[in-house]
Amino acid sequence: AQSVTQLGSHVSVSEGALVLLRCNYSSSVPPYLFWYVQYPNQGLQLLLKYTSAATLVKGINGFEAEFKKSETSFHLTKPSAHMSDAAEYFCAVSDSGNTPLVFGKGTRLSVIA
Amino acid sequence: DARVTQTPRHKVTEMGQEVTMRCQPILGHNTVFWYRQTMMQGLELLAYFRNRAPLDDSGMPKDRFSAEMPDATLATLKIQPSEPRDSAVYFCASALQGNYGYTFGSGTRLTVV
Repeated sequence: AQSVTQLGSHVSVSEGALVLLRCNYSSSVPPYLFWYVQYPNQGLQLLLKYTSAATLVKGINGFEAEFKKSETSFHLTKPSAHMSDAAEYFCAVSDSGNTPLVFGKGTRLSVIA
Repeated sequence: DARVTQTPRHKVTEMGQEVTMRCQPILGHNTVFWYRQTMMQGLELLAYFRNRAPLDDSGMPKDRFSAEMPDATLATLKIQPSEPRDSAVYFCASALQGNYGYTFGSGTRLTVV
């Protein structure tokens, strides 16, 4: 069965600083990996997805993630944090395009002015 | 933008009452998911449908929860009788089979008192 572990339930960065949110996955088959963002009182919005093509995936709002099979990781980064990036971020895994996503517990990102 | 519509957005009910949550998936999407989000458990899959047929409802307490898709434009999740431990945000998401990544609704925040 697949699973994801997000390291750190809360990350705080200064505005303009690098954002790094960590995600490690477990899957018995080549995984499909996703990052979602959730703003307060809203649903989840897809940031980016890895589906076995390029290992460096670019998403919306300047975010990107790199798939590293040797480390079973799919960390999310953004070079320069903006106040509007403050939200909850979820990593998710699926073993194919047709099975439900399994989500991590989420990481709350705070951005300090 | 196409969106998944969930109603109601908020529901407060007394223990023992029936609760019905509705979801209108994106037109053309053939897969519908119900997730529950709580602080303790995070995002849990309750059930999902493909082409209106239930594929997996193992995440639901069978004695009180039921999920249906009366037609392609409507999915329902019912709780009868409701209990305080059912208090959570319930999300519906839809997807097109093989098109990785879901579109989430804004959720129904349920409070059972």
